[in-house]
Amino acid sequence: KAGVTQTPRYLIKTRGQQVTLSCSPISGHRSVSWYQQTPGQGLQFLFEYFSETQRNKGNFPGRFSGRQFSNSRSEMNVSTLELGDSALYLCASSRQVATNEKLFFGSGTQLSVL
Amino acid sequence: DAKTTQPNSMESNEEEPVHLPCNHSTISGTDYIHWYRQLPSQGPEYVIHGLTSNVNNRMASLAIAEDRKSSTLILHRATLRDAAVYYCILRDIAGGTSYGKLTFGQGTILTVHP
Repeated sequence: KAGVTQTPRYLIKTRGQQVTLSCSPISGHRSVSWYQQTPGQGLQFLFEYFSETQRNKGNFPGRFSGRQFSNSRSEMNVSTLELGDSALYLCASSRQVATNEKLFFGSGTQLSVL
Repeated sequence: DAKTTQPNSMESNEEEPVHLPCNHSTISGTDYIHWYRQLPSQGPEYVIHGLTSNVNNRMASLAIAEDRKSSTLILHRATLRDAAVYYCILRDIAGGTSYGKLTFGQGTILTVHP
């Protein structure tokens, strides 16, 4: 069974640009969540989706947005990029919404903003 | 979310047992204790979880104190591949809206010496 796939693996952008990151969950998984990881702040929750609906959102500005498609694939978008947005962006999927459910993470997209 | 406290770092020798502690004095009755680990250049990986009783799986064991204010992740025979950052996380099953949200602390960096 294929794991969580994130594309692209690496991305370089300049300030002011926007970026879209993609996440394909494990087949059969309907819940997708996104995290940002930086050396200073560690791993921080961005948002989560289930059945195309955003269920929860972390404390990030409105420049960060996401969506989930009917096939459970998800994208996140960051507009008007800032230097501080440089981070590893991780996507995780799980089968259902129970809080006992284990999350499966992808290897992430490393975003560098110049 | 209830807070967890872990040592910043620990060291072990290969093939020796490792006990990784976690304090969670404000844990509620509906909080599950989850452990994830993150190997270099990878996303976090589920290790184990439990509520009240000790748990074992192929990767590790989880020992939970009787008052549930602390827990210990036990790696029975550390290998070089176990070198990672280990995160102890509380997940509230009564949360209702935080299904995919994990609140990561700084974790414990485990170094395994050959």
